[in-house]
Amino acid sequence: SQKIEQNSEALNIQEGKTATLTCNYTNYSPAYLQWYRQDPGRGPVFLLLIRENEKEKRKERLKVTFDTTLKQSLFHITASQPADSATYLCALDPNSGGYQKVTFGTGTKLQVIP
Amino acid sequence: DAGVIQSPRHEVTEMGQEVTLRCKPISGHNSLFWYRQTMMRGLELLIYFNNNVPIDDSGMPEDRFSAKMPNASFSTLKIQPSEPRDSAVYFCASSPPGAWDQPQHFGDGTRLSIL
Repeated sequence: SQKIEQNSEALNIQEGKTATLTCNYTNYSPAYLQWYRQDPGRGPVFLLLIRENEKEKRKERLKVTFDTTLKQSLFHITASQPADSATYLCALDPNSGGYQKVTFGTGTKLQVIP
Repeated sequence: DAGVIQSPRHEVTEMGQEVTLRCKPISGHNSLFWYRQTMMRGLELLIYFNNNVPIDDSGMPEDRFSAKMPNASFSTLKIQPSEPRDSAVYFCASSPPGAWDQPQHFGDGTRLSIL
């Protein structure tokens, strides 16, 4: 069966450290993967997109990697700040391209401790 | 610029009543998505419209749920009759035309409680 797995346990990290979140998938061949941030009581907000032919993408303190062999994406926040505390969702394209629909993981809650 | 606007933000109603959730997508966006979010199941796609036409409604749980998009600036999700298990946060999202990997822009959701 198809699955998208993110750490269900919350990730607690000290301010200033690098936070690394994992998104693993099974029985998908996505053409792209997206990462979103969700704050309590709000809708998800898009952060980064990475395509299957890209190994790595960066935006300010954020970095995403995409390994189609391992079927895994890693999301890094460097020099983490308390304001980075939120739930982070990965979303992938379940149709291998050509169709504007994504399937979301259940998210990982990140807590950055001052 | 105005984002995706959903109303109401909160809805509490009794089992068996009809519930209508509303969404105004971002102007110029031509794809619209309705999602449901629960602790147990996460964010699930219910239905996806492109240019006001339903493209994929495979996530609509059952006949009690229906969605319409009469024009490019308005969509509704209706539940009739409502049941307690429909309690969840319902999100609407829109995305612009262009490549199929466009990011989705979400509203802040409607928190629905069915008693």
